[in-house]
Amino acid sequence: IQVTQSPSSLSASVGDRVTITCRASQSLSGYLNWYQQKPGKAPKLLIYDASTLQSGVPSRFIGSESGTDFTLTITSLQPEDFAIYYCQQTFSARRTFGQGTKVEVK
Amino acid sequence: EVQLLESGGGFVQPGGSLRLSCTASGFPFRSYAMGWVRQAPGKGLEWVSAISGIGDKTFYAESVKGRFAISRDNSKNTVSLQINNLRGEDTAMYFCAKEMDSDGTFPFDYWGQGTLVTVSS
Repeated sequence: IQVTQSPSSLSASVGDRVTITCRASQSLSGYLNWYQQKPGKAPKLLIYDASTLQSGVPSRFIGSESGTDFTLTITSLQPEDFAIYYCQQTFSARRTFGQGTKVEVK
Repeated sequence: EVQLLESGGGFVQPGGSLRLSCTASGFPFRSYAMGWVRQAPGKGLEWVSAISGIGDKTFYAESVKGRFAISRDNSKNTVSLQINNLRGEDTAMYFCAKEMDSDGTFPFDYWGQGTLVTVSS
C-alpha cells in the first residue's frame, strides 16, 4: 500500500491554519496515523485511526478522512509545531510511512 | 514511565552483520508488540519490522526481508534486530518503538532515541 503525502514542505506563521494530506492507494479502513518529528528527536504519535487524538496532544491537532484521503489540520500553529509530520498506514501488515511534510517558519 | 533504550549500532563494512537491541521498561512488556523504524540521514521514516507481544508473529518491510530478523525475549524485556549482509542503503538511525497493542499491527506510541548504523568500506 502506498501513501502519498503532500505538500513536501510548507511555510506558515504562528496562528495560521495548516493542512497536510495523505492519499492512500487503496482503502485503509481508517487505519492512518500521524506523527510529528523534531530535529534530532524520535517521532511522536499525534493522531491514530485517522481522527483519535493521542493522550496529551493538544486539541489544535485534528485528523479527518474522506475515502482514501486523510488530512491533518493544525487549527492555530504554535511555535512548537514547526517540525516534520508523517502519516503512516497500519491497515496492511507491512506498515508504510508517507514521505513527510516539513512545516517551516514563513 | 515507559523507556526504550537501543544499543548495538556502529560502523560496519558492507556485507557485515550487526545485532541491535532494545531494552524496555515501565510497561508489561509481553502485552505489547514492538517494532523497528529506520531513518537514513536527512530522509524520511521507513518502517522496518515488528513482532507481536508473544513473538508468534513477525512482519518485515520488503526491502529487508530475508536479511533482517526480529526477535524478543520477554523474560529480559528486550527486542532485537539481527541485520545481515549490510548494504550502504542500510545506513540509518534505527528506532525501537512500542506498539499500542499486542497484535503487531498498531501505531507506535513510544519510541527510543535510536541507535546509528553506518555501513561503509
